[in-house]
Amino acid sequence: AQKITQTQPGMFVQEKEAVTLDCTYDTSDPSYGLFWYKQPSSGEMIFLIYQGSYDQQNATEGRYSLNFQKARKSANLVISASQLGDSAMYFCAMRQETSGSRLTFGEGTQLTVNP
Amino acid sequence: NAGVTQTPKFQVLKTGQSMTLQCAQDMNHEYMSWYRQDPGMGLRLIHYSVGAGITDQGEVPNGYNVSRSTTEDFPLRLLSAAPSQTSVYFCASSRGVGEQFFGPGTRLTVL
Repeated sequence: AQKITQTQPGMFVQEKEAVTLDCTYDTSDPSYGLFWYKQPSSGEMIFLIYQGSYDQQNATEGRYSLNFQKARKSANLVISASQLGDSAMYFCAMRQETSGSRLTFGEGTQLTVNP
Repeated sequence: NAGVTQTPKFQVLKTGQSMTLQCAQDMNHEYMSWYRQDPGMGLRLIHYSVGAGITDQGEVPNGYNVSRSTTEDFPLRLLSAAPSQTSVYFCASSRGVGEQFFGPGTRLTVL
């Protein structure tokens, strides 16, 4: 069974600093995808970044990058130059090739950016 | 494009009542899913569909039914509401197995 673990219930960072949100996963499927979503207090789910298991390079999207360590089964999200608007809940999720579009989510990390 | 739309945004039910949560997408996505999010937790898959006429169960299907008669619509039916079904419900769609686009959610309270 696939499983996603986010071990940091809450994280704090100073504005303009970088922060890493941890995510480890467990799967026996050789083909899978990893996603990060942001959920602000307003409740919507916002897609941030995607990494495929066969991608050779770490994914980047603006200030977001994914530190993908396949052997360790980790897919940490790095946010550079944090902004106050980054304060939100962040979810890591995984999809396996054999499970179609179904996503398995971690329990999330609440990030607070301090001025 | 409106993306993924959900109605209603808020709903209060009494135990034993039934209702349907509506979900529609205008992106011609073949994949659609329903998730629930309980306080302080991640999303859990209730039911999903890989195309019109095809549905399957997710992680927490009990107490819910779905149907997919068209590509655009994927309603979720609560058969007999229970307090344990108090949650926020998200509908999502995707083209293939890529990024899933989420609707704004429906906040359901069962008394």
